Amino acid sequence: AQKITQTQPGMFVQEKEAVTLDCTYDTSDPSYGLFWYKQPSSGEMIFLIYQGSYDQQNATEGRYSLNFQKARKSANLVISASQLGDSAMYFCAMRAIYNTDKLIFGTGTRLQVFP
Amino acid sequence: DTGVSQNPRHKITKRGQNVTFRCDPISEHNRLYWYRQTLGQGPEFLTYFQNEAQLEKSRLLSDRFSAERPKGSFSTLEIQRTEQGDSAMYLCASSLGSGLQETQYFGPGTRLLVL
Repeated sequence: AQKITQTQPGMFVQEKEAVTLDCTYDTSDPSYGLFWYKQPSSGEMIFLIYQGSYDQQNATEGRYSLNFQKARKSANLVISASQLGDSAMYFCAMRAIYNTDKLIFGTGTRLQVFP
Repeated sequence: DTGVSQNPRHKITKRGQNVTFRCDPISEHNRLYWYRQTLGQGPEFLTYFQNEAQLEKSRLLSDRFSAERPKGSFSTLEIQRTEQGDSAMYLCASSLGSGLQETQYFGPGTRLLVL
């Protein structure tokens, strides 16, 4: 069975600073993908970044980067130069090679960016 | 290119009533997913379609729930004899394919409150 663990219920960061949101995962499948989504108060899940288990380099998308440590089974999201609009819930999710039909989500981290 | 749309955005109903939600995926996306999200949790998979075929249903989907995607385009999710425990956000997502790296794009969700 696959599982995603996000141990930080809430995080605070000052505007323009960087912040790391933690995500650990558990799977016995040899190949898998890891996703991060942002969910503002409006409710829509917004895709941010993807990391494949066999990707040699950490994924980056603009101000988002993924610190992927396969041996530790962690896939932390790093947001650089935080903006007020980054305040939202952030979810880590996984899909595995033998279970590609659905995403397994963690419980999320609420990020608050203050001026 | 329009995103995933869901209607209604909010629904309040009395226990025992039937409700139906609609999801319009991104055009040309052949996969459509339904998730449920309760307060303080990440989304949980309910069911998914490839074109008009419903390929998997979660154990979360009791007999009171039924989903259809009649022509492989929009989908409906019906809940019969609603219970207070059905109160949640119902999210729809679509994707172009089923590979590990295929991103699921979410709609804004339908918030259901059962009184």
